[in-house]
This record gives sequence, structure tokens and C-alpha cells, in this order.
Amino acid sequence: QVHLQESGPGLVKPSETLSLTCLVSGGSISSSRDYWAWIRQPPGKGLEWIGNVYYNGGTYYNASLMSRLTMSVDTAGNHFSLRLSSVTAADTAVYFCARRGYSSSRYYVDSWGQGTLVTVAS
Amino acid sequence: EIVLTQSPATLSLSPGDRATLSCRASQSVHSYVAWYQQKPGQAPRLLVFDASNRATGIPARFSGSGSGTDFTLTISSLEPEDFAIYYCQARSNWPPEITFGPGTKVDLK
Repeated sequence: QVHLQESGPGLVKPSETLSLTCLVSGGSISSSRDYWAWIRQPPGKGLEWIGNVYYNGGTYYNASLMSRLTMSVDTAGNHFSLRLSSVTAADTAVYFCARRGYSSSRYYVDSWGQGTLVTVAS
Repeated sequence: EIVLTQSPATLSLSPGDRATLSCRASQSVHSYVAWYQQKPGQAPRLLVFDASNRATGIPARFSGSGSGTDFTLTISSLEPEDFAIYYCQARSNWPPEITFGPGTKVDLK
């Protein structure tokens, strides 16, 4: 069973860049069968998909975040990363890393990290 | 873009009650709907995929149904641990987005 663990600063200043890493264990990030995703949840609100990254570096981003977003994968370290620039208070959320299938038959998220709260404040 | 709506927003029930949660898609998604449960302070957990297939380890009191645009998650007899928020998600072939409904909160009456 794959295990996902987020890490990164819990506090980021407005206008700076939010950076998170998700370490994958119990499975390989180089699997061609999986997308690796970031999903966030503002306090008291619903789930918002941020983007997916594939083992070869291919990315698919939420259009509303695309201009500020960079996702990458490190196959040697078996982890993937998120960078969100020019953050504001609206980016305050719990950030989850997750796994979604690559094929259309595995469109659902079957593994989640525990989530990490990132607060944007000065 | 597929838009999902869920109803009701809140369902107030007692242990032992039957819970019926609805998810509606803005266009046909065939049978490609998943349901998740989220408890406070936890990540969501996959309950059902392909409208009616329970994920590994999910109790039989959870069942899903529907096709096309209308889907239902039923909890046959609520256990204390079932009070949570439930989200539906529909398949997006391309681009491979992950779009969730707004959620239904099942709380204690």
C-alpha cells in the first residue's frame, strides 16, 4: 500500500512562494500507471484540485492557478513537489498530496497524504 | 467542464438511520463517479468508484448507485463513525482534472 507524506513550511508570507514536497513510500513514483496530484482545502471549505504531475515530468494544472504553479517530480528521491508563487491569504489551506490513476478507468484518488496546513500571513 | 452538485448540503440523522446522499452531474458521466468520506482533521477516504463498486475495506452498509447524471450514496444504517462529510467526484477523461462536488455533511440530529 503506497504511503504519501507532505512536508514543508506551515507559514508563508504574502507575495512569497509556497513550496511543498510529497514523499512516496511503498511504491514507485516512476510507475506509468499513476498521476501524482496536489489537492487543497481551505479551512471549512471543499476540495480543490491543484494539478497533476506524471513520472516523466508532464503536468496538468488547474487553469485558475496555472500562472503561479509549478509541479515537478524527482524519480531518484521518489518524491514530487509543488511551488505556488505570489501567495495571498486565499491560498491558506490544508494541502494534500495524492495519487490518481493514469488510465481513464482509474480516475479516482485512491491514496492520500495526511495533509499539511499552510497559512499565508505576515 | 463537468459541474457536480450535491444535495442536501446537510443531513441531520441519528445512529441507525438510513442516509441517502445525492450527486448530480451537469452532463452524462456514464457510471464514472466516485464517493469519498472525510472526517475532521483527516484526509478524504475513497468509499465507492464506478458508481457502485466499494473500495477495499469499505463496509457493506455503504452502497452506491446511478448512471448518467444522477447518483446516490446510501448508508443503510448509520454507525457513530459515519458522521462526516461526503464528496462525489466524476471522471474527466481529458484533461485529467479531479473535480469534486461541494459535499454533503451528515451530522448528528
